[in-house]
Amino acid sequence: QKEVEQDPGPLSVPEGAIVSLNCTYSNSAFQYFMWYRQYSRKGPELLMYTYSSGNKEDGRFTAQVDKSSKYISLFIRDSQPSDSATYLCAMSISNNAGNMLTFGGGTRLMVKP
Amino acid sequence: NAGVMQNPRHLVRRRGQEARLRCSPMKGHSHVYWYRQLPEEGLKFMVYLQKENIIDESGMPKERFSAEFPKEGPSILRIQQVVRGDSAAYFCASSRAGGNEKLFFGSGTQLSVL
Repeated sequence: QKEVEQDPGPLSVPEGAIVSLNCTYSNSAFQYFMWYRQYSRKGPELLMYTYSSGNKEDGRFTAQVDKSSKYISLFIRDSQPSDSATYLCAMSISNNAGNMLTFGGGTRLMVKP
Repeated sequence: NAGVMQNPRHLVRRRGQEARLRCSPMKGHSHVYWYRQLPEEGLKFMVYLQKENIIDESGMPKERFSAEFPKEGPSILRIQQVVRGDSAAYFCASSRAGGNEKLFFGSGTQLSVL
């Protein structure tokens, strides 16, 4: 079993839809949770960075963390064709030595005009 | 305001050759991480370095792979005697400090081994 599970998709939605992306994890030591967006042949771009449980909103994006269920989500409101990309969840333990991230396999999102 | 710079963007090597991948962190960042992304897989941590020090190399294969981050110049990921299984995208990330600082990624080097 992988440490972080993520449905690979592809997830296809019409423009303007609300998108829900999810990851589950098995290591209860994870404290920091991130979402990255990766366009084809590009590097991952940090979208959201949260600590512990709760919600965080930034523009059209909302990240949710439920540590009791070991489940994190990213919601995208009013989705646009430019949101078409692979979305990677990542997480790390609280660690003074460095921020070694454990990634999910990514979910490919396609937003159709 | 350059981000993390990686070069080359694409690197083609024949089996048995050496591959050298370079990474210059963002301005003001002194911590560098290397990740590998195999086809249809997520990114896997390889090594974490600060200037002149390897802090954590728990994700590095035991043989043929090495990394350095010298006092001057970019960080280098070196793969000796490449094999076809080394074909992957190699990403570098940098952060301002250690701990749980945010990581910012470069555009990667796509290594193809013929």
